[in-house]
Amino acid sequence: GENVEQHPSTLSVQEGDSAVIKCTYSDSASNYFPWYKQELGKGPQLIIDIRSNVGEKKDQRIAVTLNKTAKHFSLHITETQPEDSAVYFCAAPGYSTLTFGKGTMLLVSP
Amino acid sequence: GAGVSQSPSNKVTEKGKDVELRCDPISGHTALYWYRQSLGQGLEFLIYFQGNSAPDKSGLPSDRFSAERTGGSVSTLTIQRTQQEDSAVYLCASSRLAGYNEQFFGPGTRLTVL
Repeated sequence: GENVEQHPSTLSVQEGDSAVIKCTYSDSASNYFPWYKQELGKGPQLIIDIRSNVGEKKDQRIAVTLNKTAKHFSLHITETQPEDSAVYFCAAPGYSTLTFGKGTMLLVSP
Repeated sequence: GAGVSQSPSNKVTEKGKDVELRCDPISGHTALYWYRQSLGQGLEFLIYFQGNSAPDKSGLPSDRFSAERTGGSVSTLTIQRTQQEDSAVYLCASSRLAGYNEQFFGPGTRLTVL
């Protein structure tokens, strides 16, 4: 089955800095890579996703890049704000649903 | 519109007791998923329902865990003879279509087994 590795587990940045979270996957046939944000006490929420026919996708301050050859994809958050503080999960297709990484706790200090 | 709802939000039980967790998916969503989230861990897949097809139970950790989805809508996850290692947040998600599409998560049920 699919194996998803996510790094780092914790990331602390100052407000205004950029944050990058990286994930690797094992199944070269995977073609859909979403990122979810989970705020305290809530369920995860999709923030951006990318399909394997493109290498990069942007939505305001967030972007995702995909390197199919290396089988890794990354989440980039620019101009971080305190409200970006949350746990971020990457995912890749598993057998019948998504396989999630273990999550990255992002802390943005004012 | 209404999102995915789960009840109860918190459940404290004693070891050995049975518990039932409920999930109300978004109306019209054909796919429903249950995940378990332990402290510091990712989302562990438990079970997947798609329409009237047989559910994918491959993620259930033991035969103490079972789930059903009645009328293609509400789902109940049952844990029999609870153990302390069952303590976790149980998340339900639904999606409009099967396959790899956006999943909408509920707020979860935090289960504590004493």
